Amino acid sequence: GAGVSQSPSNKVTEKGKDVELRCDPISGHTALYWYRQSLGQGLEFLIYFQGNSAPDKSGLPSDRFSAERTGGSVSTLTIQRTQQEDSAVYLCASSLQESGETQYFGPGTRLLVL
Amino acid sequence: AQKITQTQPGMFVQEKEAVTLDCTYDTSDQSYGLFWYKQPSSGEMIFLIYQGSYDEQNATEGRYSLNFQKARKSANLVISASQLGDSAMYFCAIPQGGSEKLVFGKGTKLTVNP
Repeated sequence: GAGVSQSPSNKVTEKGKDVELRCDPISGHTALYWYRQSLGQGLEFLIYFQGNSAPDKSGLPSDRFSAERTGGSVSTLTIQRTQQEDSAVYLCASSLQESGETQYFGPGTRLLVL
Repeated sequence: AQKITQTQPGMFVQEKEAVTLDCTYDTSDQSYGLFWYKQPSSGEMIFLIYQGSYDEQNATEGRYSLNFQKARKSANLVISASQLGDSAMYFCAIPQGGSEKLVFGKGTKLTVNP
């Protein structure tokens, strides 16, 4: 597709379960970012990947959060043992390269932890 | 650390009129970029306009323009000839120093009245 795609668009889960969120960046974009948008915290950076470099995980809120990017394209954000405070919209973005390029966002995954 | 301040939680404008959304920022970087995004109720973050700190002219993109005042560290978004479809949240963002991780303001909710 032409834009960043994310799946699922909505996810409802029970506290303690694991969830996987998927992001498919724009073709040819080497940088991929995950952000979280919640009512109390606004938009916050989680993690980013650039090419084959080690990812910058500095924004991950706890070790329950992890992400991988396979083949330099699709990325999966995994949240283990979900908590109610994990409820948020998870946004993925990609850009052509790291330095100064515009980040284009996907539609997001709305996660609700009951 | 980079910081974005959007002082207007909500703004109202009549259709076809112009509106200015405020954004001030704090950065220690000499060279930086500023981004504005629109987030309609559907949730997707839509890139609107970019301003480089060393650009000699204010950025313009269709009905969007920036009133960039570097010395005052402000980059206000001007939307001309407002349309009903402009009703959305608007976010100003700047990369965190030394990286491409975006730091966002809390946003301004714009409502365009018919």
